[in-house]
Amino acid sequence: EAGVTQFPSHSVIEKGQTVTLRCDPISGHDNLYWYRRVMGKEIKFLLHFVKESKQDESGMPNNRFLAERTGGTYSTLKVQPAELEDSGVYFCASSQALAGETDTQYFGPGTRLTVL
Amino acid sequence: QKEVEQDPGPLSVPEGAIVSLNCTYSNSAFQYFMWYRQYSRKGPELLMYTYSSGNKEDGRFTAQVDKSSKYISLFIRDSQPSDSATYLCAMSVSPWNSGGSNYKLTFGKGTLLTVNP
Repeated sequence: EAGVTQFPSHSVIEKGQTVTLRCDPISGHDNLYWYRRVMGKEIKFLLHFVKESKQDESGMPNNRFLAERTGGTYSTLKVQPAELEDSGVYFCASSQALAGETDTQYFGPGTRLTVL
Repeated sequence: QKEVEQDPGPLSVPEGAIVSLNCTYSNSAFQYFMWYRQYSRKGPELLMYTYSSGNKEDGRFTAQVDKSSKYISLFIRDSQPSDSATYLCAMSVSPWNSGGSNYKLTFGKGTLLTVNP
């Protein structure tokens, strides 16, 4: 079974440009999460989808970030316009936990974003 | 104060050594504790999880939780060069989707471990 995949693996853009990151969760996983690791810091939660609905976006840093999950399958995270402080590694994770079941989150390899 | 503190190391040990990795936390609402392993350029991979205080063993790995002290540990016995990676502790308020954000993971910074042959 394929794991969580993310595209691209690395993106280098200039400040002010737009970048879109994509995540394909494990097939059948309704839960999809985005996390981010800024250099020197810990991995931090950004948001959580259940199917196509945003359940929790408390970690989104500001309105330059837009996450979507049309059709409840893959998800995109768009940063527009990108700023220097957006540089980091963006991880996607998915899980299949149903109500009352342990939520084991499986992580993708991450997208390394560099804003120059 | 950070919710989860973890010494980033680096930690270097000889093959066969017992490794002890630790995290402390400040949020007493955390009930679900995990250890992830992350190899270079890869995503975190779940090693172990536990809900309760005490020890949980899985092969060469033992996870220990002391809720009274807000302290968790991961022990690796007979460490191997293949164990060389970054080890991340993570925790959440709830282990399952009970609505809201109770199950979002809060991570430590990770400890870089090198096991030398």
